[in-house]
Amino acid sequence: QSALTQPASVSGSPGQSISISCTETSSDVGSYDLVAWYQQHPGKAPKLMIYGVTERPSGVSNRFSGSKSGNTASLTISGLQAEDEADYYCCSYSGISTWVFGGGTRLTVL
Amino acid sequence: QVQLVQSGTEVKKPGASVKVSCKTSGYSFSNYGISWVRQAPGQGLEWMGWINPYNGNRHSAQRLQGRVTMTTDTSTDTAYMELRSLRPDDTAVYFCATHNYYGINVWGQGTTVTVSS
Repeated sequence: QSALTQPASVSGSPGQSISISCTETSSDVGSYDLVAWYQQHPGKAPKLMIYGVTERPSGVSNRFSGSKSGNTASLTISGLQAEDEADYYCCSYSGISTWVFGGGTRLTVL
Repeated sequence: QVQLVQSGTEVKKPGASVKVSCKTSGYSFSNYGISWVRQAPGQGLEWMGWINPYNGNRHSAQRLQGRVTMTTDTSTDTAYMELRSLRPDDTAVYFCATHNYYGINVWGQGTTVTVSS
């Protein structure tokens, strides 16, 4: 089964843009465009922010965007706000009807 | 709107089993799969498996195969996850969530399961 590697933490000041990477360690998984990103505030359930690499669900701010190059997907948050401070997880299809999460990234808004 | 309401907190002894329920509403239950995800204290998310309520097809993470059973009841639009032979490292918050082609979307509120002697 593949693994997804995320940085443990990122930080930025209000108004800035940050990106969180998600690198797939299995070359087979890189061929799937089934990457999603979730935001989780402490003590809360995760919330879907991006699906299908680049698609934003209804109601999610357009400050959130997704992209992918090769085996690395990225979540970019522009115009950083205090409320964006949370944990972020990528999730990818891993083949044979299985899915895998990245280890998570703690975003701190300075 | 789509809602998933899970059963309450559980405390179990090592070796026991736990069954968590996930009552859904606001959509056609058979149209979406149900995924189960868990999160140990202070740790990240771990995908456990998913089930298709339409035909009962299910797939679970390799490390849990043999201990986890996912079922659905289409008469009550409810999904269930049973985990057997519990160990202390199974202590976690367990989430159910709707699952479509693109993956996991709407999440339940989570159920805390504590395994301790």
